[in-house]
Amino acid sequence: LAKTTQPVSMDSYEGQEVNITCSHNNIATNDYITWYQQFPSQGPRFIIQGYKTKVTNEVASLFIPADRKSSTLSLPRVSLSDTAVYYCLGTGGGNKLTFGTGTQLKVEL
Amino acid sequence: DAGVIQSPRHEVTEMGQEVTLRCKPISGHNSLFWYRQTMMRGLELLIYFNNNVPIDDSGMPEDRFSAKMPNASFSTLKIQPSEPRDSAVYFCASSLGSHRLMNTEAFFGQGTRLTVV
Repeated sequence: LAKTTQPVSMDSYEGQEVNITCSHNNIATNDYITWYQQFPSQGPRFIIQGYKTKVTNEVASLFIPADRKSSTLSLPRVSLSDTAVYYCLGTGGGNKLTFGTGTQLKVEL
Repeated sequence: DAGVIQSPRHEVTEMGQEVTLRCKPISGHNSLFWYRQTMMRGLELLIYFNNNVPIDDSGMPEDRFSAKMPNASFSTLKIQPSEPRDSAVYFCASSLGSHRLMNTEAFFGQGTRLTVV
């Protein structure tokens, strides 16, 4: 399983785009990159997943370069409700989901 | 589907007592995970099951912890005897997964906040 490294915390203001980068230098060939979001007092929630290039859904975009050693979660025009912890996971065969320390995003007015 | 259902939502118990946490996964999901979350250690994977069989229990902290999945719709995590350091939020999650599938989305329950005094 890929070991991931991401910033401990980030601050932003409403309306801004936020990019959270995760590094996973030893990602395996069959690992996907998956991001989860966790609000206080709730369980993590799946946001987006990709293998390479760019993936976009209604919540976020995920950019993965060709070497797949890093990925960037992009949240367009954040609001106060996007304040949460964001986890980057490298997941592959075996379906074992191991969470790192995550990035605490704080959005202010 | 109502999602992953955990019970109880809150549990306060005295040191030395047995604690049983319960989880009902989403119908049709065949992978189930138990996690523990604390401020100090973050979100730790304790054990996960696939098709009711424990696949990896390397995260179970010690023999006081045990988990079972007697059928596809129910799992328990038991702590006996409980200790104050077991105080944490325990999450259960389920997914459509197997050893061969690359990855699938995991759905988490609301968690059980356990306090051992």
